Amino acid sequence: GAGVSQSPSNKVTEKGKDVELRCDPISGHTALYWYRQRLGQGLEFLIYFQGNSAPDKSGLPSDRFSAERTGESVSTLTIQRTQQEDSAVYLCASSLASPWGTDTQYFGPGTRLTVL
Amino acid sequence: AQSVTQLDSQVPVFEEAPVELRCNYSSSVSVYLFWYVQYPNQGLQLLLKYLSGSTLVKGINGFEAEFNKSQTSFHLRKPSVHISDTAEYFCAGRPYNTDKLIFGTGTRLQVFP
Repeated sequence: GAGVSQSPSNKVTEKGKDVELRCDPISGHTALYWYRQRLGQGLEFLIYFQGNSAPDKSGLPSDRFSAERTGESVSTLTIQRTQQEDSAVYLCASSLASPWGTDTQYFGPGTRLTVL
Repeated sequence: AQSVTQLDSQVPVFEEAPVELRCNYSSSVSVYLFWYVQYPNQGLQLLLKYLSGSTLVKGINGFEAEFNKSQTSFHLRKPSVHISDTAEYFCAGRPYNTDKLIFGTGTRLQVFP
């Protein structure tokens, strides 16, 4: 079946511009996660959506970052007034979110963001 | 704070040799543990996970990992690697009381012919 998809695969933007990154999770997955992967570093958690619950935004690095999710489908991560330090690969993952927390997260291929 | 440490940023190895990628976790609470692999220009793929039960976990592509609570480790092993195993490997932990994965910084496995 279809996996997690993300678009665009690559985005080059100028400092100060706003960008939107899109994630389409696996159908039926109620949980959706955004991570950031900077060059040579591990993945940093950004935000987590679970069903209709309030999202866990504890990983967002600044108020320039925001994310929305429509029901249990598409999510958009928006970065306003981009800075060069925002350059990274942004990864989206989805899962069934079992109540015991044992679910596996399935990752998309990521969006490589370059801020000039 | 919980953390996951991968001690080696790069591991070069010849084809058909054994390999061990090290991972240690630091947590004041119990944790689920995962190994993910990222092939060039691809997304992360789950190799294996430890949730409970047997401490030796077998995953895809011939990989296995052993959960060692006393040493807070979850090292990944393969007895004989192939060129196709060249990739970035990430260890991750998920404390019971959160929904987030905490990732290590990754280990790049480079297999030479």
